[in-house]
Amino acid sequence: EDKVVQSPLSLVVHEGDTVTLNCSYEVTNFRSLLWYKQEKKAPTFLFMLTSSGIEKKSGRLSSILDKKELSSILNITATQTGDSAIYLCAVEAPSGGSNYKLTFGKGTLLTVNP
Amino acid sequence: SAVISQKPSRDICQRGTSLTIQCQVDSQVTMMFWYRQQPGQSLTLIATANQGSEATYESGFVIDKFPISRPNLTFSTLTVSNMSPEDSSIYLCSADRGDGYTFGSGTRLTVV
Repeated sequence: EDKVVQSPLSLVVHEGDTVTLNCSYEVTNFRSLLWYKQEKKAPTFLFMLTSSGIEKKSGRLSSILDKKELSSILNITATQTGDSAIYLCAVEAPSGGSNYKLTFGKGTLLTVNP
Repeated sequence: SAVISQKPSRDICQRGTSLTIQCQVDSQVTMMFWYRQQPGQSLTLIATANQGSEATYESGFVIDKFPISRPNLTFSTLTVSNMSPEDSSIYLCSADRGDGYTFGSGTRLTVV
């Protein structure tokens, strides 16, 4: 059974701090790893990392995939209160036949205090 | 990435009744996915819906409880049947056009 583990489960920082969120996985036939930000109901897409794209950056957010260690990190620099959210890591792997599916970790609850 | 409209946004339902959630995608997609997120938990895949065939359910989920329709390549519905308070969750649909999975806005269901 595919498994995705995120750490820490929760984190409280002050505005301006830099945070690193971790994600490790055990899946059969890994295809990609995705990071999402969830503030209310719908997760919003941040990054997709594959074998051909192991490092992504967008503004203050960046992510690296380590296929050897079967893990990924999500970095947020100069945090702002608007970064407060649950950050979800998901891994894409075959679900049978030619189909794929996502398996999610439990998420990291990030709280950024002013 | 795809834009997905999901409705209703929220509902409060009596136990024993059923609720149908709809998702409309702004472009054709092969697969659509339905997730449940129970309070304080992460997303759990309920089933995968492929147009023209029966949905594929994950372990612990059955068609009688969560019937799914996928009449065309842009639309799907999930019905939560014979609801109990344990069904109170956020329900999310999702689709992938190859550049990352996009989610609908979610349905917050409370069963009383």
